[in-house]
Amino acid sequence: DTEVTQTPKHLVMGMTNKKSLKCEQHMGHRAMYWYKQKAKKPPELMFVYSYEKLSINESVPSRFSPECPNSSLLNLHLHALQPEDSALYLCASSQGSSQDTQYFGPGTRLLVL
Amino acid sequence: GEDVEQSLFLSVREGDSSVINCTYTDSSSTYLYWYKQEPGAGLQLLTYIFSNMDMKQDQRLTVLLNKKDKHLSLRIADTQTGDSAIYFCAQYSGAGSYQLTFGKGTKLSVIP
Repeated sequence: DTEVTQTPKHLVMGMTNKKSLKCEQHMGHRAMYWYKQKAKKPPELMFVYSYEKLSINESVPSRFSPECPNSSLLNLHLHALQPEDSALYLCASSQGSSQDTQYFGPGTRLLVL
Repeated sequence: GEDVEQSLFLSVREGDSSVINCTYTDSSSTYLYWYKQEPGAGLQLLTYIFSNMDMKQDQRLTVLLNKKDKHLSLRIADTQTGDSAIYFCAQYSGAGSYQLTFGKGTKLSVIP
């Protein structure tokens, strides 16, 4: 099983809302990732958790707040977003070491009004 | 720095072979990857090749790696309409890295 699940599939939010994106995997992977993908562009890395510790934060604005409650779950808390934050947010996981193969979820399509 | 380049578009007739090309600059990535993204979907790991291999075949897919020229290609035999998607070439950004560097993606259109 190489499945990464993400909820919700679609999300519409206003600029004053607070919402969360969720990601889950049951492959025993110990590294999890958040990516942002704009239309017609490749994914851009936002955060990496390795063994439940934040190891990479690619200068992402503080209105995005990641959380890794346990090794299977990854959340992305959203607050006071801007319309330009509208994008497909992808979660991925890998076994845990550097350069391990990453498996992606289906993504959450976010629209900020 | 690291960079991955791909042509942006490819159009083929159903039943023909498709070849998607990629060039990269960083030789330290252990594997090189091909991901497929259908409209509105996430990235699906299509195949990957270990950096000390020259070729890998998996059913209709053939990956060729030319390390001297830093060139990677993906051949899809007997291309079907279901193969229409964007294909991303990717590699890791150096030894010890957790960061995948993606090409801009090649949009494959299959004409029935």
